[in-house]
Amino acid sequence: QQQVKQSPQSLIVQKGGISIINCAYENTAFDYFPWYQQIPGKGPALLIAIRPDVSEKKEGRFTISFNKSAKQFSLHIMDSQPGDSATYFCAASVSNFGNEKLTFGTGTRLTIIP
Amino acid sequence: NAGVTQTPKFQVLKTGQSMTLQCAQDMNHEYMSWYRQDPGMGLRLIHYSVGAGITDQGEVPNGYNVSRSTTEDFPLRLLSAAPSQTSVYFCASRVTDHSYEQYFGPGTRLTVT
Repeated sequence: QQQVKQSPQSLIVQKGGISIINCAYENTAFDYFPWYQQIPGKGPALLIAIRPDVSEKKEGRFTISFNKSAKQFSLHIMDSQPGDSATYFCAASVSNFGNEKLTFGTGTRLTIIP
Repeated sequence: NAGVTQTPKFQVLKTGQSMTLQCAQDMNHEYMSWYRQDPGMGLRLIHYSVGAGITDQGEVPNGYNVSRSTTEDFPLRLLSAAPSQTSVYFCASRVTDHSYEQYFGPGTRLTVT
């Protein structure tokens, strides 16, 4: 059972456009929602993360939008650049006194074309 | 700091062979974990450890063993490799607070024939 559902599976965006990746979850106990970026041949790296007490978090061109009532969160990449081409994973976890386990979405392969 | 290191980078095994994937970190992180990455499946947790001498199962533990004798090292053992274990394996570490960044190693690509 996939606890975090991610869409789309792949996405092609023109340079300068907005890339949007969506995730939905079922477990209302989740209280930490990170996004990871994976460059081909490398391990994932933390991009940006949010807690459910805020509806939006912005870091440079990257923004997480969070909708607690709908149990959805999304990653927006503004002014997308070819260097943003990578696979993006959303994830979620529940506070558990250091025993937390990250549950990942299935990933979105983003390609930025000139 | 080297961060999280994994060896080997690539490995080919025959069905039934055993091997150990090595993982080490030099950031003094208490929490370490192993994931496998398969197309269309994302990253799935195999085993994790919250400190030396403490390990626990993740989502897909069958066919894998782990131990944690030191803070730095967290090896993953395949006792009898099966083709279903063909995957890319990532080790990761972080401080125990889950809201802190999880650092991933570069991965080991394993093929079982």
